[in-house]
Amino acid sequence: QVQLQQSGPGLVKPSQTLSLTCAISGDSVSGNSAAWNWIRQSPSRGLEWLGRTYYRSKWYNDYAISVKSRITITPDTSKNQFSLQLNSVTPEDTAVYYCAREGYGIDVWGQGTTVTVSS
Amino acid sequence: QAVLTQPSSLSASPGASASLTCTLRSDINVGNYGINWYQQKPGSPPQFLLRYRSDSNKQQGSGVPSRFSGSKDASANAGILLISGLQSEDEADYYCMIWHSSAWVFGGGTKLTVL
Repeated sequence: QVQLQQSGPGLVKPSQTLSLTCAISGDSVSGNSAAWNWIRQSPSRGLEWLGRTYYRSKWYNDYAISVKSRITITPDTSKNQFSLQLNSVTPEDTAVYYCAREGYGIDVWGQGTTVTVSS
Repeated sequence: QAVLTQPSSLSASPGASASLTCTLRSDINVGNYGINWYQQKPGSPPQFLLRYRSDSNKQQGSGVPSRFSGSKDASANAGILLISGLQSEDEADYYCMIWHSSAWVFGGGTKLTVL
């Protein structure tokens, strides 16, 4: 059974970098069949996909256009986890952030991390 | 116009069936997409229910009862989540999702009330 455990700060100051990590159990970040996603949810924007990383003989990333200039998703094979970095945050980035596995669709979600952007 | 449109709310009685729709923007054809459905209860992440592309290409989420099923209405350009034998525990928000233009796209969600 695949499980995802998120960690990271719940409060980030404006203009700083939001950093979250998602530890994977029951699957491998470098497996050839899954992709590893970050999604956020807020009352104003609903569910919003941010991006993903996946391995198919080499590493690939896809990012949402809305955050493409500010986002980096990085795998860590030594710890079997992946991370989100979102730069230059503003209060509009306040949301619940989820990591999620993509099999034939997004089928496993982390528990969610509430991130507030405030000084 | 949003890529995926869902009615904001729906009410149905216990034991009845509920049909939740996810309408695709008119310039994209539902026949070309697998539609993923999720259930979300307050304070919890979305839970994967099922993915439906066709009767021969569909997946049910692990542990999801068979009373949750998917289909398409080509004439309406919509995906449908059918919940039969409604129970009070089915009261939740339901979201659809597709892979479109190199991104996962979500509908705005339908709040299902069972009363």
